[in-house]
Amino acid sequence: DIQMTQSPSSLSASVGDRVTITCRASQSISSYLNWYQQKPGKAPKLLIYAASSLQTGVPSRFSGSGSGTDFTLTISSLQPEDFATYYCQLSYRTPRVFTFGPGTKVDIK
Amino acid sequence: EMQLVESGGGLVQPGRSLRLSCAASGFTFDDYAMHWVRQAPGKGLEWVSGISWNSGTIGYADSLKGRFTISRDNAKNSLYLQMNSLRAEDTALYYCAKDRHIAVAGDFDYWGQGTLVTVSS
Repeated sequence: DIQMTQSPSSLSASVGDRVTITCRASQSISSYLNWYQQKPGKAPKLLIYAASSLQTGVPSRFSGSGSGTDFTLTISSLQPEDFATYYCQLSYRTPRVFTFGPGTKVDIK
Repeated sequence: EMQLVESGGGLVQPGRSLRLSCAASGFTFDDYAMHWVRQAPGKGLEWVSGISWNSGTIGYADSLKGRFTISRDNAKNSLYLQMNSLRAEDTALYYCAKDRHIAVAGDFDYWGQGTLVTVSS
């Protein structure tokens, strides 16, 4: 099975900070990697698909990069509404494996 | 406006069954694959099952060991999850999620608000 890890598991940051979250797969997954944001009591929201494509309606301060085993979600200038938990997710289609990472909680410093 | 509304959750005893439903509106339901994703209280996200637009392709998480069955009725714009032999570890908020694709691709671009399933005696 392909395992997904994220680092850090949590971080504290200030409004305006540049924030980087890393996701690593236990084997190469090409660019089959998505990023989601989840706020408390709310459903997750797709931010980035295929490692680096910005979902429609998502602010451009969010960006994704990487391929193979190492991926990064970057928030260029953290806004108050960005405090949330972020999950990476494998979207490998053959076989169908849609494992989520354990999440990274971003809170206020 | 796109909407996914889950229903059917509740308190159920271990070993019993439950059927979840998801009513879709605001998009062409049979143009997209659909999924169930769950989240245990205070825990992360776990993909449960997905179904292609015409039910021709279905997938399940290995951990379910054949206890759950996904289905859809395109005429009713509805997605279902039949859950049998429920266990305490199935306690979770169950989300209905739309795929970006017609096939089961695992890109969950829209989610409902979830229905809570609690398995307890």
